[in-house]
Amino acid sequence: GAGVSQSPSNKVTEKGKDVELRCDPISGHTALYWYRQRLGQGLEFLIYFQGNSAPDKSGLPSDRFSAERTGESVSTLTIQRTQQEDSAVYLCASSLVGPDEQYFGPGTRLTVT
Amino acid sequence: AQSVTQLGSHVSVSEGALVLLRCNYSSSVPPYLFWYVQYPNQGLQLLLKYTTGATLVKGINGFEAEFKKSETSFHLTKPSAHMSDAAEYFCAVRGTGRRALTFGSGTRLQVQP
Repeated sequence: GAGVSQSPSNKVTEKGKDVELRCDPISGHTALYWYRQRLGQGLEFLIYFQGNSAPDKSGLPSDRFSAERTGESVSTLTIQRTQQEDSAVYLCASSLVGPDEQYFGPGTRLTVT
Repeated sequence: AQSVTQLGSHVSVSEGALVLLRCNYSSSVPPYLFWYVQYPNQGLQLLLKYTTGATLVKGINGFEAEFKKSETSFHLTKPSAHMSDAAEYFCAVRGTGRRALTFGSGTRLQVQP
């Protein structure tokens, strides 16, 4: 079946603009995660959705970052008033509730100029 | 709080040689441990995971890892490197209370002919 998909694959934006990144999880996966990968670094957790529960937003770096998820479907990560330090690859992952394996999408490479 | 340390941001081996990528973790609860691989311009792919049971875990592509609680380590090994193993490898940990993964900073493996 289809894996996790993300769009766009690349996004170049000017400092101060807002951006929206999209993630389509694997069908039937109730858990969805957003991570950020800065150049030469590991992945940083941003936010986690599980079914209808309140999301775990503990990893969001500032109030410029927000995310939504419609049911157990698509998620959108929004970054307002982008800064150069927001440049990174944003990765989405999904999983079933019980098993621990997270399946990752190919990521969106965000460049803020 | 959890953390992961990967010793060596770059490791170079000859084709056919042993691959050893080091990972040490800290966790206040019994951890779940993972190794992911990231090929150039691709998403992360799970190599193997330790949750409970046997401490020697076998994964895909001939890789294996051993969970050593006394050493808080989960080193990744492969007896004989292949050119196709060249990639970036990430160790990750998850405690029982939080589903998001905490990643190490990654080790880039080069395989020399």
